[in-house]
Amino acid sequence: DVKVTQSSRYLVKRTGEKVFLECVQDMDHENMFWYRQDPGLGLRLIYFSYDVKMKEKGDIPEGYSVSREKKERFSLILESASTNQTSMYLCASSTRTGENSPLHFGNGTRLTVT
Amino acid sequence: AQKITQTQPGMFVQEKEAVTLDCTYDTSDPSYGLFWYKQPSSGEMIFLIYQGSYDQQNATEGRYSLNFQKARKSANLVISASQLGDSAMYFCAMFGPYSGAGSYQLTFGKGTKLSVIP
Repeated sequence: DVKVTQSSRYLVKRTGEKVFLECVQDMDHENMFWYRQDPGLGLRLIYFSYDVKMKEKGDIPEGYSVSREKKERFSLILESASTNQTSMYLCASSTRTGENSPLHFGNGTRLTVT
Repeated sequence: AQKITQTQPGMFVQEKEAVTLDCTYDTSDPSYGLFWYKQPSSGEMIFLIYQGSYDQQNATEGRYSLNFQKARKSANLVISASQLGDSAMYFCAMFGPYSGAGSYQLTFGKGTKLSVIP
């Protein structure tokens, strides 16, 4: 079974702090994604990566950056956390085999910025 | 650009009854894939079922089936014999847009909250 592990289930940070959300997958997947989930808005793509050191902006990249130094690890960075970044963050991975490859998700990190 | 629409914010169904969750999509790509995910209150996203645009038959996975009507651009999820454990958010998703290097993003709808009544 594919396992995608997010380092924290719940996180509380203060405005202006630098925040790191870590994600590790154990299935040698090429693609990794960071989504943000908010009530009534569904899942929105922040950033994704299709190879080590490669990154692409999603629909809402503002205020975020990412790092992928190793194939199994994809980090989301909030350079200066703000209250409007309070949300559920979901990491996912998939193989690069085409249109029928489902995304496998981690359990999510619920971030609160106060 | 791809777009997924789920028009039912919330649905109720009696235990052991069947329920249909609606999903319509919009794309200009001739080849595409459609997915349904389940998200229980615990938060994890669980992959349920996949339908390819060229698949001749509707996809089925146990109690889940996908009613795929290509001309209408709809991909409704049918859950037969509902169980209390089916209470969750359900998301329809479509592959696209193309991300480069042979990979694709998934575009999600806003979800439908299903509540199963005993």
